[in-house]
Amino acid sequence: ETGVTQTPRHLVMGMTNKKSLKCEQHLGHNAMYWYKQSAKKPLELMFVYSLEERVENNSVPSRFSPECPNSSHLFLHLHTLQPEDSALYLCASSHRSGGRDNEQFFGPGTRLTVL
Amino acid sequence: GQQLNQSPQSMFIQEGEDVSMNCTSSSIFNTWLWYKQDPGEGPVLLIALYKAGELTSNGRLTAQFGITRKDSFLNISASIPSDVGIYFCAGPAPNSGYALNFGKGTSLLVTP
Repeated sequence: ETGVTQTPRHLVMGMTNKKSLKCEQHLGHNAMYWYKQSAKKPLELMFVYSLEERVENNSVPSRFSPECPNSSHLFLHLHTLQPEDSALYLCASSHRSGGRDNEQFFGPGTRLTVL
Repeated sequence: GQQLNQSPQSMFIQEGEDVSMNCTSSSIFNTWLWYKQDPGEGPVLLIALYKAGELTSNGRLTAQFGITRKDSFLNISASIPSDVGIYFCAGPAPNSGYALNFGKGTSLLVTP
């Protein structure tokens, strides 16, 4: 595997379900991100982990719970979601060091549909 | 907050034509990034710009960091059908050491 991978690619869940999204980066990066992409809206940053520590949480509802067990893996745990949470969820990673900190590399995303 | 405005919102062109799109910011940037997103995929980084006035190429793509540091341009020469997708500009969000602000994208359609 190369780059940033995400599983599953598609997920349909009911509002009472609990599911998790998984992201893995194979780039040796030390920061990982969750973004939400809804139709006709710019990408919205949800969470940032740097060196496995959560450093940003952009007022995301508690029904989204991130987990970063190590620098290569990132999870997004979902529970009691709402239909308006249906979106493409994108994971990204970057290398936090001098110079190219802002270059984020994205996975293919998980298309989530909440019924 | 910081606004990124991309134009045009969409473009419909013929294969072989050159394309130009731009992005403007309400505040000064020290980095501009251009991404392309294909349907059903995540954004792919095309070009990163770090210096005002910088002109950088990646194959048929050329991007420029505006001298005012509030704008950037992306040009695609001799477009081909696989150039179809949505092009996003992005830059560091103020008051954050990590976040990127993204524009709403320019949707490009290329007909053979």
